[in-house]
Amino acid sequence: EDQVTQSPEALRLQEGESSSLNCSYTVSGLRGLFWYRQDPGKGPEFLFTLYSAGEEKEKERLKATLTKKESFLHITAPKPEDSATYLCAVQAVNTNAGKSTFGDGTTLTVKP
Amino acid sequence: SAVISQKPSRDICQRGTSLTIQCQVDSQVTMMFWYRQQPGQSLTLIATANQGSEATYESGFVIDKFPISRPNLTFSTLTVSNMSPEDSSIYLCSVEDGYTFGSGTRLTVV
Repeated sequence: EDQVTQSPEALRLQEGESSSLNCSYTVSGLRGLFWYRQDPGKGPEFLFTLYSAGEEKEKERLKATLTKKESFLHITAPKPEDSATYLCAVQAVNTNAGKSTFGDGTTLTVKP
Repeated sequence: SAVISQKPSRDICQRGTSLTIQCQVDSQVTMMFWYRQQPGQSLTLIATANQGSEATYESGFVIDKFPISRPNLTFSTLTVSNMSPEDSSIYLCSVEDGYTFGSGTRLTVV
């Protein structure tokens, strides 16, 4: 059974204080690992997809990396508008494309 | 990527009634997915909906409680039947690209 574990559950940062969110996964053949941002009362907003170990992707203050067992979402010099819940999900090669297993998320709060 | 219109965005329903949630996609997609997000928790897949066939339900979810329709390649509905307060959640649809989700339906059962 595919599993995704995110840590920490909650993270409070001061504006400008860089940090990382962790996503550990177990999957029988990785099709892709997805990072999303979710604001309260809204659906997940896609950030990144990573497909193979060693891959990295960046978008503004966010950088996602992938190993064979985990992924990190690095947040550099965060701003209050980065406050949200960040979700990690995996899709396995032996399942339908689009069928994802999600972690419980990390709720990030950035204080000015 | 696809764009999904989901409605209603929220509803407050009486115990024992049913609510049908709609998702309209702006392009044809083979598979659509329905997720539930209970308060403070992450997304759990309810079922996969293919056009022209019965939906495939995940463990713990049954067709009588969550009937799904998929009449064409751009539309799907999820009905939450005989609701109880435990059904209060956000319900989300998505498509096979893995990128795109509807904006969610926040359901409160009283």
